[in-house]
Amino acid sequence: DGGITQSPKYLFRKEGQNVTLSCEQNLNHDAMYWYRQDPGQGLRLIYYSQIVNDFQKGDIAEGYSVSREKKESFPLTVTSAQKNPTAFYLCASKEARGEAFFGQGTRLTVV
Amino acid sequence: EDQVTQSPEALRLQEGESSSLNCSYTVSGLRGLFWYRQDPGKGPEFLFTLYSAGEEKEKERLKATLTKKESFLHITAPKPEDSATYLCAVQNYGGSQGNLIFGKGTKLSVKP
Repeated sequence: DGGITQSPKYLFRKEGQNVTLSCEQNLNHDAMYWYRQDPGQGLRLIYYSQIVNDFQKGDIAEGYSVSREKKESFPLTVTSAQKNPTAFYLCASKEARGEAFFGQGTRLTVV
Repeated sequence: EDQVTQSPEALRLQEGESSSLNCSYTVSGLRGLFWYRQDPGKGPEFLFTLYSAGEEKEKERLKATLTKKESFLHITAPKPEDSATYLCAVQNYGGSQGNLIFGKGTKLSVKP
């Protein structure tokens, strides 16, 4: 079954801690994306990658980091510099012209 | 600046009561407009892609239409299972290639 897998579904972060969210796709898409979703805010772009070993900042990249060492994988690290990390995080992939396919999301909570 | 505005923010319907959701957009050059359905706590699920004004797509009780300034998602005789948040997104020819610009969504509630 082709698709995007995000893990974990729920994640808890302590103050000052870095955490990494996993995103894997088997759709053979070149482009991958990370979005943050807050109530009433819609989806906001954190980082995106059009090709392996290359990525670009989105609208709200501060406090986040990514890597793209393999076409299938695009992990997101939420660093301690992100002051308000509690949110729902969505990973997506797409071809250049076409719809984006989303994972089921990771809900991150600061404890 | 490229922008997507969805209205209304929330819509409550009785089962069988047809209505429409609106997505107004401002982009430098429209490459595609996308509709998604999102259930609580889940990722968005793709519904339709529209590429040019006058284009229409249908799927069960849903029909999406596109003009040069807006798109409508028409819901005919909705059922409670149609309750969800509906997201609209556009892709433009300018800016970062392939990136989507999302509206804030319309939360639809259908009561039996």
